[in-house]
Amino acid sequence: GNSVTQMEGPVTLSEEAFLTINCTYTATGYPSLFWYVQYPGEGLQLLLKATKADDKGSNKGFEATYRKETTSFHLEKGSVQVSDSAVYFCALIRMDSSYKLIFGSGTRLLVRP
Amino acid sequence: KAGVTQTPRYLIKTRGQQVTLSCSPISGHRSVSWYQQTPGQGLQFLFEYFSETQRNKGNFPGRFSGRQFSNSRSEMNVSTLELGDSALYLCASSLGDKANEQYFGPGTRLTVT
Repeated sequence: GNSVTQMEGPVTLSEEAFLTINCTYTATGYPSLFWYVQYPGEGLQLLLKATKADDKGSNKGFEATYRKETTSFHLEKGSVQVSDSAVYFCALIRMDSSYKLIFGSGTRLLVRP
Repeated sequence: KAGVTQTPRYLIKTRGQQVTLSCSPISGHRSVSWYQQTPGQGLQFLFEYFSETQRNKGNFPGRFSGRQFSNSRSEMNVSTLELGDSALYLCASSLGDKANEQYFGPGTRLTVT
């Protein structure tokens, strides 16, 4: 079946530290991959996406590269800010069949000043 | 463009009652998906509608149902509420084609007592 696995949180970093949140997936076919972010009390915001192997999605200093050989889509940011504190979800969608997003369990990021 | 709106934002119901949640998609979007978010199960797909037709359904009991209107607005209904139905219900809209970037609303927080 299709699934997404994320690293357990919480991830606690100091401001300006480098961030990596690991995400690996299992899917038949050729999924598109997404990162969503959820701030307290809010819905999900699309952070970035990649639709094919070797694509790099980027937004607001975050980036992730679609690695088909390792079935991974790790989220990175060079210098985190306190305002980046949130829960991050990796997700996939299979373009050849269903229209549903399959989410990982989420990783909580806490950035300290 | 206005984002996805959901009403109501908060709801408290009693076991056995039924509830209807509403979602208005981004203008021009024809697909609406519903997801349930709980601490234990994470984000789970409920169903997806496109042009008033249900295209996909998740693994939820028949107490969960939905519909979509000709203006793409969608409602979901949960009958005979159970304590375990307490969750954040998220609606997402997309153009409905294979691009499938889904944009989420703020959610409806349902508490069943």
